[in-house]
Amino acid sequence: DAGVTQSPTHLIKTRGQQVTLRCSPKSGHDTVSWYQQALGQGPQFIFQYYEEEERQRGNFPDRFSGHQFPNYSSELNVNALLLGDSALYLCASSLFGVGEQYFGPGTRLTVT
Amino acid sequence: AQSVTQLDSQVPVFEEAPVELRCNYSSSVSVYLFWYVQYPNQGLQLLLKYLSGSTLVKGINGFEAEFNKSQTSFHLRKPSVHISDTAEYFCAVSGGSNYKLTFGKGTLLTVNP
Repeated sequence: DAGVTQSPTHLIKTRGQQVTLRCSPKSGHDTVSWYQQALGQGPQFIFQYYEEEERQRGNFPDRFSGHQFPNYSSELNVNALLLGDSALYLCASSLFGVGEQYFGPGTRLTVT
Repeated sequence: AQSVTQLDSQVPVFEEAPVELRCNYSSSVSVYLFWYVQYPNQGLQLLLKYLSGSTLVKGINGFEAEFNKSQTSFHLRKPSVHISDTAEYFCAVSGGSNYKLTFGKGTLLTVNP
């Protein structure tokens, strides 16, 4: 049973650039949530996608946007990168967005 | 709004000793509670969950937690730890119309030989 997968594993970008991160949910799951984890901190909720729409959003600027595809996979886009966007980006999947969420290994983004 | 407080940022223990990692939460609605473990440079792995029913929840790797509604707590325990339990542990809450997980700041458990 395939778990949550994310790509790429690591990414280095320059300030002002744009980045796209990808996530495939666990088999049987239909909801994808994205979290940002800064060094030494707990994950912070960015947004959740269900039925190809953003259902809930955390306290992140509009530079952070996303998409969910008909096969339930998802993308996270970040525009106009700032140094403070450097973090581990975690994708989590669940069924209907309720209850436990299963996390992928994350994408480590470094902005220089 | 929901919030989680993990009362200890670091907990050092010796191998085979018991351990308790403390978690308190705040919520105005019924909650779901979770403990996750994160090993260095990895994602989060679900240890255990409380959704409803019995307040004593058993998880993987010999961990258990007890939901205490009156104390708004969900402490994680293990009777005998191993070196391999060294990791960061996160308590999280969701529930009501809140689909997101709200995490605490984490507790670094270090098991020494």
